[in-house]
Amino acid sequence: NAGVTQTPKFQVLKTGQSMTLQCAQDMNHNSMYWYRQDPGMGLRLIYYSASEGTTDKGEVPNGYNVSRLNKREFSLRLESAAPSQTSVYFCASSAQEGNEQFFGPGTRLTVL
Amino acid sequence: GDSVTQMEGPVTLSEEAFLTINCTYTATGYPSLFWYVQYPGEGLQLLLKATKADDKGSNKGFEATYRKETTSFHLEKGSVQVSDSAVYFCALSYPAGNKLTFGGGTRVLVKP
Repeated sequence: NAGVTQTPKFQVLKTGQSMTLQCAQDMNHNSMYWYRQDPGMGLRLIYYSASEGTTDKGEVPNGYNVSRLNKREFSLRLESAAPSQTSVYFCASSAQEGNEQFFGPGTRLTVL
Repeated sequence: GDSVTQMEGPVTLSEEAFLTINCTYTATGYPSLFWYVQYPGEGLQLLLKATKADDKGSNKGFEATYRKETTSFHLEKGSVQVSDSAVYFCALSYPAGNKLTFGGGTRVLVKP
């Protein structure tokens, strides 16, 4: 039982490049989330998916897109990376709304 | 909107010292309150939670009491160990909602 897994662990991009961050959970959870973590700002919600087939914007969605591929997988895409997107990205999942969220190990992204 | 404020760190302690991390919140409704812990290089893990006023959450020697009158959820541990060195996040969420609102995090360093 791996919990929440994320790939890659580290990534360096040049400004304007695109990439997709992958997330998968094996806990049969309905809800999944993408956060970014910046020094002194805690975690901020980018997008979430309350259930398979639905996605909604969080606090800081600009510059990102998401896909809930199936119940297990929730990907985050940066179409044209900017230095302001340098951050640590965490995926999380929960059984349903309001329940405890379980976090993946994170992806450290640097945009030059 | 809702917000969570934590004391800024880093907090440096000697082993067996008493730890307090202050957390206050602003909320429009009646949220659940959480403490998450992030060990170096890892994702966040739920440490404890409280779902209503006067509830006390506890885990691994840590405690926090939901104080509605002072809108606070301070984290305490009576005798810290080196292994408690981590970043601690206070957060709130609503039972019917998806969003976790985090404080900025407090880094704790315990020296032997």
